[in-house]
Amino acid sequence: DAGVIQSPRHEVTEMGQEVTLRCKPISGHDYLFWYRQTMMRGLELLIYFNNNVPIDDSGMPEDRFSAKMPNASFSTLKIQPSEPRDSAVYFCASRVAGAKDTQYFGPGTRLTVL
Amino acid sequence: QKEVEQDPGPLSVPEGAIVSLNCTYSNSAFQYFMWYRQYSRKGPELLMYTYSSGNKEDGRFTAQVDKSSKYISLFIRDSQPSDSATYLCAMSAPGGTSYGKLTFGQGTILTVHP
Repeated sequence: DAGVIQSPRHEVTEMGQEVTLRCKPISGHDYLFWYRQTMMRGLELLIYFNNNVPIDDSGMPEDRFSAKMPNASFSTLKIQPSEPRDSAVYFCASRVAGAKDTQYFGPGTRLTVL
Repeated sequence: QKEVEQDPGPLSVPEGAIVSLNCTYSNSAFQYFMWYRQYSRKGPELLMYTYSSGNKEDGRFTAQVDKSSKYISLFIRDSQPSDSATYLCAMSAPGGTSYGKLTFGQGTILTVHP
């Protein structure tokens, strides 16, 4: 099992540019979560999906952030336009229903917005 | 006030020491409690899971939950340099709109010196 796959691993962009982060969950998992981690705020849940449907997006900071899950094996998190305060590590995690809430995290995407 | 409070440390101990990591929470709906370990530049990985008050032991690790005080702990015996990581507590509530959603503490940075 390859685990949760995220791309790119590192992204450096300039303020105002569009950023797209990608995630492939573990096959068979029906929940997918997007998190953001910073030193100041820790690990924050942005949005999560169940069976490709967004369930809770209350953590999405503002309209500049959007997330999609067009199928069970792929999700994107888009920031448009990006701002320096969006600099953080973004994690994707997945789990299977009934798995005692165990979430499996990807390696993360380190985003730097200049 | 955050739902979950965790002392961010950092905590520095000599090899062989007993380490105590703690979290408090305010949401009485939390029923499932986890500890995740995160190595530098990696995603968090599940270390311990428990859902009842009392102790759960796994090798050198013991998770303790006191629901009446809304307090959880992780003890590491005979700490090793390989235990150096950030430790995050996480909690979830069964059912309702929170189903499947984890709330994380800030994380405690632990360094074990040889």
